[in-house]
Amino acid sequence: SQQGEEDPQALSIQEGENATMNCSYKTSINNLQWYRQNSGRGLVHLILIRSNEREKHSGRLRVTLDTSKKSSSLLITASRAADTASYFCATDAETSGSRLTFGEGTQLTVNP
Amino acid sequence: GAGVSQSPSNKVTEKGKDVELRCDPISGHTALYWYRQSLGQGLEFLIYFQGNSAPDKSGLPSDRFSAERTGGSVSTLTIQRTQQEDSAVYLCASSLISGRGYEQYFGPGTRLTVT
Repeated sequence: SQQGEEDPQALSIQEGENATMNCSYKTSINNLQWYRQNSGRGLVHLILIRSNEREKHSGRLRVTLDTSKKSSSLLITASRAADTASYFCATDAETSGSRLTFGEGTQLTVNP
Repeated sequence: GAGVSQSPSNKVTEKGKDVELRCDPISGHTALYWYRQSLGQGLEFLIYFQGNSAPDKSGLPSDRFSAERTGGSVSTLTIQRTQQEDSAVYLCASSLISGRGYEQYFGPGTRLTVT
């Protein structure tokens, strides 16, 4: 079953704008990861944030984690048309070993 | 270096036939995972292997699904007597070890269509 829920399901913005995607989950986690997927094929790992971290940066990406609210957000700054993709959060729950449980994903479209 | 590779990239099969999907993990990665992505179900975990330990098969949807990993490297996912609901993209991933907090690197997937 899918633990994560993401919103919005779809997001359309103009190039140069910031994009924010949110993810909520239900159980206690060890870490949360964000992945990107182009054209329904392989996933590319973007960033991992551990349960004892609150914020992490990688290039134009900023991820926050609020374990009290069981939620995370992914911010992409100064978006580019090449950022158009589906973005998924995935949790590594304390009770499920190291397998990942994925959210439903957000389809981001960046218009040039 | 080389990433995770999967073959075939696309597979069309008739209902009732068996199929085998192959995954070559990144060299040196001891953990290997299979996931399935289908419309309406999102990405779901199927099975994972860690070294010589017994695999975690808890995500396999039915006994028609099985997987093996030979020599701690290549893995094959077998679906017997395929059904239309098996149509999906099957994704394989590997990680350095099966520890929490280790990135999983995904292959390009095999798109399975059961007619």
